[in-house]
Amino acid sequence: AQSVTQPDIHITVSEGASLELRCNYSYGATPYLFWYVQSPGQGLQLLLKYFSGDTLVQGIKGFEAEFKRSQSSFNLRKPSVHWSDAAEYFCAVGPNNAGNMLTFGGGTRLMVKP
Amino acid sequence: DVKVTQSSRYLVKRTGEKVFLECVQDMDHENMFWYRQDPGLGLRLIYFSYDVKMKEKGDIPEGYSVSREKKERFSLILESASTNQTSMYLCASRQGGINGYTFGSGTRLTVV
Repeated sequence: AQSVTQPDIHITVSEGASLELRCNYSYGATPYLFWYVQSPGQGLQLLLKYFSGDTLVQGIKGFEAEFKRSQSSFNLRKPSVHWSDAAEYFCAVGPNNAGNMLTFGGGTRLMVKP
Repeated sequence: DVKVTQSSRYLVKRTGEKVFLECVQDMDHENMFWYRQDPGLGLRLIYFSYDVKMKEKGDIPEGYSVSREKKERFSLILESASTNQTSMYLCASRQGGINGYTFGSGTRLTVV
């Protein structure tokens, strides 16, 4: 069965510092991979996705993620964090066939220090 | 802009009440989902539907049912609400293939 692990439950970074959020997945084939962001009291918004091709994908709000098949990872990065990036981030993996469900990681809560 | 709309942002219900959570999408998506989100447990799938009148159980269907009479609307029903169903409920839709989910803003349900 597919699974997603986000090892860091909480991360605190200073504003302007770089950010990397970790995501590891278990999946039997080439996965579809997603990162979502959830602001307090809101639903989840798609940041970026990977299906094939270039393993470095760009998303909204200055985020990027790199797919590393050998490490079964899809880490999210941002060169310089802004206070408005404080939120919860979810990694998700989906089937690459006709199935429709995504499996989500437990989330990482990002706090940004001024 | 595409949208998934959940009818209520906040609800307070009493134990034993029948509760309806409504979700409507305007994207003509085939697939719709209900998740609950609890601290430390992430998102857990309750039910999903891949077509009108079709439904499938997710990981935690106990205590819930769903209805999908029209393509755009997917309702979650708590037949007899209990305090352990206090949670954030998220509806999502997806066209399938390479697309991700589009989420609603969530309904925070408190059962007292």
